[in-house]
Amino acid sequence: AQSVTQLDSQVPVFEEAPVELRCNYSSSVSVYLFWYVQYPNQGLQLLLKYLSGSTLVESINGFEAEFNKSQTSFHLRKPSVHISDTAEYFCAVSYAGATNKLIFGTGTLLAVQP
Amino acid sequence: NAGVTQTPKFQVLKTGQSMTLQCAQDMNHNSMYWYRQDPGMGLRLIYYSASEGTTDKGEVPNGYNVSRLNKREFSLRLESAAPSQTSVYFCASLPRDSYSYEQYFGPGTRLTVT
Repeated sequence: AQSVTQLDSQVPVFEEAPVELRCNYSSSVSVYLFWYVQYPNQGLQLLLKYLSGSTLVESINGFEAEFNKSQTSFHLRKPSVHISDTAEYFCAVSYAGATNKLIFGTGTLLAVQP
Repeated sequence: NAGVTQTPKFQVLKTGQSMTLQCAQDMNHNSMYWYRQDPGMGLRLIYYSASEGTTDKGEVPNGYNVSRLNKREFSLRLESAAPSQTSVYFCASLPRDSYSYEQYFGPGTRLTVT
């Protein structure tokens, strides 16, 4: 069955430190990959996505993710986090042939401490 | 545009009671979705509607029914609520000719069944 794995349920980090949130998906010929962010008591917002082309994608607030086909991964990184980045982050995948359906990982809570 | 709206925001039910969660989108999107979010489990698809007039089961449909009333509205009904249905429910929508494959989420309904 198709699946998405986020190994870390919670990642504590100090402000201005770098962070990496890990995401792996079950292998398939063609996938589209997403990171969504959920701030406390809010809905989900798209942070960034990989559809095709450059394997490194960036968001407007300094996050980036790299699509690695050989390792079936799409890890999210930020070189220097802020308190305001505290949120839950969900990795999601859509498979070719079923592009109207998203499969979500279990989420990673990024807790930024001063 | 209001985007995706959900009502109510909060609801408390007793076991066995019924209720309908409402979702509407004003973006002329074709596909609509209902997810539930539980701690440590990410988002799981309950039902979806690829277009007006069609509905399909997702990963966890038991205990729920849906109605795609028109292109704008997609409701989720709990006929006989159970404590296991305590969750946060999210509605989402997706344009038909979406080359971004991005789903747009509502703010959620927090449901408690006692």
